[in-house]
Amino acid sequence: GAVVSQHPSRVICKSGTSVKIECRSLDFQATTMFWYRQFPKKSLMLMATSNEGSKATYEQGVEKDKFLINHASLTLSTLTVTSAHPEDSSFYICSARDRRTGDNIGYTFGSGTRLTVV
Amino acid sequence: GQNIDQPTEMTATEGAIVQINCTYQTSGFNGLFWYQQHAGEAPTFLSYNVLDGLEEKGRFSSFLSRSKGYSYLLLKELQMKDSASYLCVVNQAGTALIFGKGTTLSVSS
Repeated sequence: GAVVSQHPSRVICKSGTSVKIECRSLDFQATTMFWYRQFPKKSLMLMATSNEGSKATYEQGVEKDKFLINHASLTLSTLTVTSAHPEDSSFYICSARDRRTGDNIGYTFGSGTRLTVV
Repeated sequence: GQNIDQPTEMTATEGAIVQINCTYQTSGFNGLFWYQQHAGEAPTFLSYNVLDGLEEKGRFSSFLSRSKGYSYLLLKELQMKDSASYLCVVNQAGTALIFGKGTTLSVSS
């Protein structure tokens, strides 16, 4: 079945630094990538949606200059958390979909990245 | 607005049957997913309902009533490993998935 590889699984960084999270679709073309954030004991909250070759669409309240999303190819999307602060510490998950397939097939999740900013 | 309601927590014993209910009000509807999520891990797919009725898959079954905005996930022959969070997720037409807050199920022996 469809697999999305997400790296790194865990990262600890210092305040003010930037962290890049990668998601790769291994056996399908991710025409659309969704980026979610999940705080402890909370549900997944959509941060942004990106279609390959286009600029990402950010949800209300998500700073596009802070969370940089690149989706330059059909198999790779990256999320860069710039100038990270402790409040950015969270679990980040990507979800990829090939919009050319039916809705009951898509939405493959990466394994998540636990970001801790110290 | 968009709203997905499901109980916050449920407890059950091994071998029992548990039903997790979900009601939703969304501006669009293309189908409803149930996902299982263990702590610190990504969600894993359990079921997807588009049409009204019951979908059975092994120990897990999912039901949908579009007219009532209601779904449930039924887990039979509970095992300890079923202790997890269960997410009711609506597939809105043309947009990303809308997640409920999840129901944390604790299975005891």
